[in-house]
Amino acid sequence: LAKTTQPISMDSYEGQEVNITCSHNNIATNDYITWYQQFPSQGPRFIIQGYKTKVTNEVASLFIPADRKSSTLSLPRVSLSDTAVYYCLVGVVKSGATNKLIFGTGTLLAVQP
Amino acid sequence: EPEVTQTPSHQVTQMGQEVILRCVPISNHLYFYWYRQILGQKVEFLVSFYNNEISEKSEIFDDQFSVERPDGSNFTLKIRSTKLEDSAMYFCASRDYSGRNTDTQYFGPGTRLTVL
Repeated sequence: LAKTTQPISMDSYEGQEVNITCSHNNIATNDYITWYQQFPSQGPRFIIQGYKTKVTNEVASLFIPADRKSSTLSLPRVSLSDTAVYYCLVGVVKSGATNKLIFGTGTLLAVQP
Repeated sequence: EPEVTQTPSHQVTQMGQEVILRCVPISNHLYFYWYRQILGQKVEFLVSFYNNEISEKSEIFDDQFSVERPDGSNFTLKIRSTKLEDSAMYFCASRDYSGRNTDTQYFGPGTRLTVL
């Protein structure tokens, strides 16, 4: 599994756009990039997943450059409730395989009023 | 929206006692997982379960741990003789098998296990 590096923490203010970048220099051809969010004392929650270019859903956007050695999670107009730990995970997602998730330390996003 | 549920939310036990943590995965899901998170540390994979058997387990998942799907809806994690270091949040997760390469794992709210 590709090792990921992301900032330990980030600060933001309500209404701002937040971009969290994850480095994964050793990403393999079959690896996908997945982001999870975790609030204190709760289970991780899937945010978004992508393979290349850009993916957007109702919660976030994921930007992946052509070399795929990094990715950026973009949260538009954050609110206080977006304060959480954000995990970048890289690995193969195969039909029929275990697809266990390997979590790193994540990025603690603190949104201030 | 369907969700994974876990009971109890908090379990306190004495060292050496057996505990059973319960999970009800999302009903049409086929893959089930247990993860744990010691306070202030990473979420760690324990075990995955598919087709009524363990498909993969981590080094943490030793002989003191076992999993079972006793009926069509519950998925349990048993710790036979708890140790102080078993104190953690235990998360159950489930995943559908849709044949796509982008299946998502859905996590429950967790059970906080405190071993005294």
